[in-house]
Amino acid sequence: SQQGEEDPQALSIQEGENATMNCSYKTSINNLQWYRQNSGRGLVHLILIRSNEREKHSGRLRVTLDTSKKSSSLLITASRAADTASYFCATVSNTGNQFYFGTGTSLTVIP
Amino acid sequence: DSGVTQTPKHLITATGQRVTLRCSPRSGDLSVYWYQQSLDQGLQFLIQYYNGEERAKGNILERFSAQQFPDLHSELNLSSLELGDSALYFCASSPGQGIASYNSPLHFGNGTRLTVT
Repeated sequence: SQQGEEDPQALSIQEGENATMNCSYKTSINNLQWYRQNSGRGLVHLILIRSNEREKHSGRLRVTLDTSKKSSSLLITASRAADTASYFCATVSNTGNQFYFGTGTSLTVIP
Repeated sequence: DSGVTQTPKHLITATGQRVTLRCSPRSGDLSVYWYQQSLDQGLQFLIQYYNGEERAKGNILERFSAQQFPDLHSELNLSSLELGDSALYFCASSPGQGIASYNSPLHFGNGTRLTVT
């Protein structure tokens, strides 16, 4: 399976702390994307990093990509209670037709 | 609001029955993707359509089928339902396919929650 895996499966932190979640995948990719899912809702795109990029920032989000290790990390700085959600990485095949999602990290930010 | 509409929001049916889930993609998007999300299997890719044609197939059961119509809306048909088919079914859309979709994110609907009793 090309599906990625996030680590940890669950993470609980205090408001104001940083949250780091990791994604590992198995095959060559064109790009890797991170999505957020609030309970019972659809996934929302957060950030995309191309295979030739190593790091990308967007607001309080920082994503890194290491294609040699087939891994990525998402860092959320200065977390807020509203960041409580599940976070998924998605790898995009080189054909661009298939988006494979990982198993997700459930983040709880305690006020 | 992602612009992707899925109906119905909830569906409760019995084993052995058949249901149809509907998805209207975001305006201008030609690609539609279907995903199944269950607690023990995560988010599983089922099938993708582009401008009416099937373009990629994932872990879709033979009991399931889908199509995309000329107006670009899509339907996912689930038949001979089993208890294990209970899940959230998501539709997502993107502007194109292949190279045109490489750097385009998916836009998800809020899903249809299917409960098979």
